[in-house]
Amino acid sequence: AQSVTQLDSQVPVFEEAPVELRCNYSSSVSVYLFWYVQYPNQGLQLLLKYLSGSTLVKGINGFEAEFNKSQTSFHLRKPSVHISDTAEYFCAVSDRSSGYALNFGKGTSLLVTP
Amino acid sequence: EAGVAQSPRYKIIEKRQSVAFWCNPISGHATLYWYQQILGQGPKLLIQFQNNGVVDDSQLPKDRFSAERLKGVDSTLKIQPAKLEDSAVYLCASSLDRSGGEKLFFGSGTQLSVL
Repeated sequence: AQSVTQLDSQVPVFEEAPVELRCNYSSSVSVYLFWYVQYPNQGLQLLLKYLSGSTLVKGINGFEAEFNKSQTSFHLRKPSVHISDTAEYFCAVSDRSSGYALNFGKGTSLLVTP
Repeated sequence: EAGVAQSPRYKIIEKRQSVAFWCNPISGHATLYWYQQILGQGPKLLIQFQNNGVVDDSQLPKDRFSAERLKGVDSTLKIQPAKLEDSAVYLCASSLDRSGGEKLFFGSGTQLSVL
């Protein structure tokens, strides 16, 4: 069985500063990794995903994430955040054992202030 | 392209009452999921359908929750009787298939409050 741990429940950051949201996973088989974002009063949207190939994945809105198999991590980064990036961010993993359904972490609340 | 439609948007009921949620996935999407998102937590998978068959319902509390996807399109999720701890947002999602790595498209959810 797989699981996802998001190490920070809240991350406050100033506008234009860099940010990293941490995600670790556990799985006994090959995994697919995802980051979803949930803006206030909106549904979940896919930011980016890692399936295979290059370990650095670029997504929408300037976000990127790096898959590190040895550390079982998939941290999300952005070099300069905007106020509009304030949202809840969810890391998720899927593999064959779950029928490829997404297993989500508890989420990290990113709060960007001026 | 139309997204995943869910209704109602909000529902308030008293404990021990029953409630039903409806989901219409994106046209052509074979896989449909119901997730439960309790405040402050990530979504938890309740049930996964492939067309009109159940792939995984291991986390569905079957003594009170039921779900169906007749004709492999629309789906309904029912709770009977509801408990206070069922207060959550119920999310429906769909994807083209479940071959792995598929993008899930989520609806806006139904927010349930059980009093």
